[in-house]
Amino acid sequence: NAGVMQNPRHLVRRRGQEARLRCSPMKGHSHVYWYRQLPEEGLKFMVYLQKENIIDESGMPKERFSAEFPKEGPSILRIQQVVRGDSAAYFCASSYTSGGPYEQYFGPGTRLTVT
Amino acid sequence: DAKTTQPPSMDCAEGRAANLPCNHSTISGNEYVYWYRQIHSQGPQYIIHGLKNNETNEMASLIITEDRKSSTLILPHATLRDTAVYYCIVRVGVGNTPLVFGKGTRLSVIA
Repeated sequence: NAGVMQNPRHLVRRRGQEARLRCSPMKGHSHVYWYRQLPEEGLKFMVYLQKENIIDESGMPKERFSAEFPKEGPSILRIQQVVRGDSAAYFCASSYTSGGPYEQYFGPGTRLTVT
Repeated sequence: DAKTTQPPSMDCAEGRAANLPCNHSTISGNEYVYWYRQIHSQGPQYIIHGLKNNETNEMASLIITEDRKSSTLILPHATLRDTAVYYCIVRVGVGNTPLVFGKGTRLSVIA
């Protein structure tokens, strides 16, 4: 059973470009979370999605960031017009729909570098 | 904000038990205690969780005090590969909710 997959593992963008990060949850999981870890800092929650629905986006910056989890395909975290402060590791996690207590399993992360 | 308090760092000799404490004095009756670890810059790895009973799996044991205000994660025979940052997390709410990570404990296993 493959774990949570993220790609690309490393992404370099120039300021002003767009970054697209992909996350494929574990088989059987329909809940996806995105977290960000800035250099030398802890992990911070960004957004929680189910298929075709955003459940909680309280951690998402108000501008330039968006996320989706379509009916088919991976979840996408999109960052428009990237700035140097967006350089960070972005982790995706997934969990089961029901049955509790809903432990989350993390992917290896995407390391975004903005030059 | 995280609802837990952990020491910033600990050392442990290889082969010995590593006991990592965590205080969560404001935990609610229906909140679980989760432990994760992050080795270097990898994705966090789930270790164990518990509600009020002690728990054990192939990785570790979790001891929760009777009043549930603190817990201890035990790695019975620490190896160099257990060097990591360990996070104790109280799940805010019930069901599928985000994890709130604090600063964790940086465990260094020494040969």
